[in-house]
Parts: sequence; structure tokens; C-alpha cells
Amino acid sequence: AQTVTQSQPEMSVQEAETVTLSCTYDTSENNYYLFWYKQPPSRQMILVIRQEAYKQQNATENRFSVNFQKAAKSFSLKISDSQLGDTAMYFCAFEYGQNFVFGPGTRLSVLP
Amino acid sequence: DTAVSQTPKYLVTQMGNDKSIKCEQNLGHDTMYWYKQDSKKFLKIMFSYNNKELIINETVPNRFSPKSPDKAHLNLHINSLELGDSAVYFCASSHWDRGYNEQFFGPGTRLTVL
Repeated sequence: AQTVTQSQPEMSVQEAETVTLSCTYDTSENNYYLFWYKQPPSRQMILVIRQEAYKQQNATENRFSVNFQKAAKSFSLKISDSQLGDTAMYFCAFEYGQNFVFGPGTRLSVLP
Repeated sequence: DTAVSQTPKYLVTQMGNDKSIKCEQNLGHDTMYWYKQDSKKFLKIMFSYNNKELIINETVPNRFSPKSPDKAHLNLHINSLELGDSAVYFCASSHWDRGYNEQFFGPGTRLTVL
């Protein structure tokens, strides 16, 4: 069975600084997808970034980028130039077939 | 122009009651999901329907019964509500886009069982 672990329950970062959220997963599959979702206090789940396992190049979306290490089964999220609006729960998710597994989440607070 | 909508957003009810949560998506997706988010924010899949057929059914009590009248709707009916059912329930839908399966989530329904 696939599992997703996020070892940092809570993190904080100063506005404009950079922060990295960690995620590790366990699977025997070779082709799969990884995602980071953001859940602000509004509760809405928002896709932040996605990564295909068959691609070696790390995905980037504006201030968000990932460090995907397939052999180590690691998928960390880096947020550059943190903004107050980045304050949220961040969920790492693994997808294979049409089944998603989410990590327990990391609560990120961006401090002014 | 809501993509995935859920009603109601809040639901407060007594133990033992039966309640339903409705979900609709206007994205033309063929797969829909129900997730439960507990008080610790842990998000876990409950069900997944593809073209109105059940494809994923995690270890969920029989009191929970999803119903998909068509591809755009996936409703969740809960019988004999228990205190432990209190949570936020998210509906989501997805499509295969360039080989991956991005999910779009509804706003969630906070269920409180008293």
C-alpha cells in the first residue's frame, strides 16, 4: 500500500524568506504522480504544483518549486519569497491510477 | 462560476439521524470522489466513482452510501449518524489531463454530530 509522510506538522517562515516543506512516500509503482495541495483557512483545497514520476526535471510554478528525488522517494516543496497569503495547510499527495493518498499535512505560518 | 459545489456547507444534526450531502461538478469530469478530513486535518479518500460506477471504496462503514445519478453528481448519504462522523467532507472531481489526474475540490461540508 502507498503511504505519504510529512514529518513537519508545523512550520513558520518570515515574509519574503524561503521555506521548504518535506514529503516522503512509499510505493512499489514506477509511474505515478505527486502533488502539493494548499488548504487556506477558507478550507478550499487548491492545487499548488504537480510532478510526473517519469520526469527527472523538477516542476516549478512561479514561487513554488519541488525537489523530486525518485530513488529516495522524496518530494519536497520550496516556497520562495513567502507571502502572507501562503499561510495554509499544505498536503503532499501521491496518485496512481485514480486513487489518491494524502499526507497528514504541514501547517505553514508566514510571519510579517 | 463554481466548478465543484457542495451543499450544505454546514450541517449540524443529532446522533442517529440520516443526512445527505450533495455534490455537483460542471467541469465535464468523469470521476468524482468523497474525502473525509478529520479534526487533525488528515484527508482520507472514502469513495471514487468513474462514469457512475464505484471504483474505490475504502474501509468505510456501511452507513455511508454514495449515490451517483449521473456523471456530474455524487451524493453522500449517511445513516444513523455517530459522534465520530463529525468531520469536514470534501467532494472532488478529476479528469485525465496530459496523462495525470488533477483533482478539483469542492469547498467542503462541515458535519457536526451532537
